[in-house]
Amino acid sequence: AQTVTQSQPEMSVQEAETVTLSCTYDTSESDYYLFWYKQPPSRQMILVIRQEAYKQQNATENRFSVNFQKAAKSFSLKISDSQLGDAAMYFCAYRTDFNKFYFGSGTKLNVKP
Amino acid sequence: SQTIHQWPATLVQPVGSPLSLECTVEGTSNPNLYWYRQAAGRGLQLLFYSVGIGQISSEVPQNLSASRPQDRQFILSSKKLLLSDSGFYLCAWRELSLVRAELFFGEGSRLTVL
Repeated sequence: AQTVTQSQPEMSVQEAETVTLSCTYDTSESDYYLFWYKQPPSRQMILVIRQEAYKQQNATENRFSVNFQKAAKSFSLKISDSQLGDAAMYFCAYRTDFNKFYFGSGTKLNVKP
Repeated sequence: SQTIHQWPATLVQPVGSPLSLECTVEGTSNPNLYWYRQAAGRGLQLLFYSVGIGQISSEVPQNLSASRPQDRQFILSSKKLLLSDSGFYLCAWRELSLVRAELFFGEGSRLTVL
């Protein structure tokens, strides 16, 4: 199975500041998808952003953007202008050619007012 | 629009008792279906994956089993629960589409085995 590694168990950011969450993955596939999901205290998993490996352009969704480095197998999430509502667990996920999804262990993001 | 429902939301069961968690998806056909477990403070572990009725792929050998008796119904079961089966269980689905690549999740079921 593919492995997805999130090396930051917990991070903190000041409201309105920028924070970057790290993710690395291991694969031998050439085409795949990568995702960031958010899990607030309600435990509902919410898609934040997705990236297709064959697209060199980094995905962006409003205040959320990724830095996708295919050769380095790195997929970091940048949150700009952090808001209190951004506080949650963030999971990096990888989708294989066979449509299986593997998740990292998560990063807990705290946002300080 | 598509929706996913998962129940029960909370379950407390004694060791050795059976388990049945159910998940249904509405508004789509022939979805890929998934069961994940999330242990306390941990990531999501893929348990089972299904591409169609009666077709189940098991990721991790364990005390659990899954079944897909209908196209949009996915059931997670156990004959005898262990303490280690405690956790938060998430059902998810994926549309067979080239446009929507992501997983959509149910609300989750919290299982406590005592």
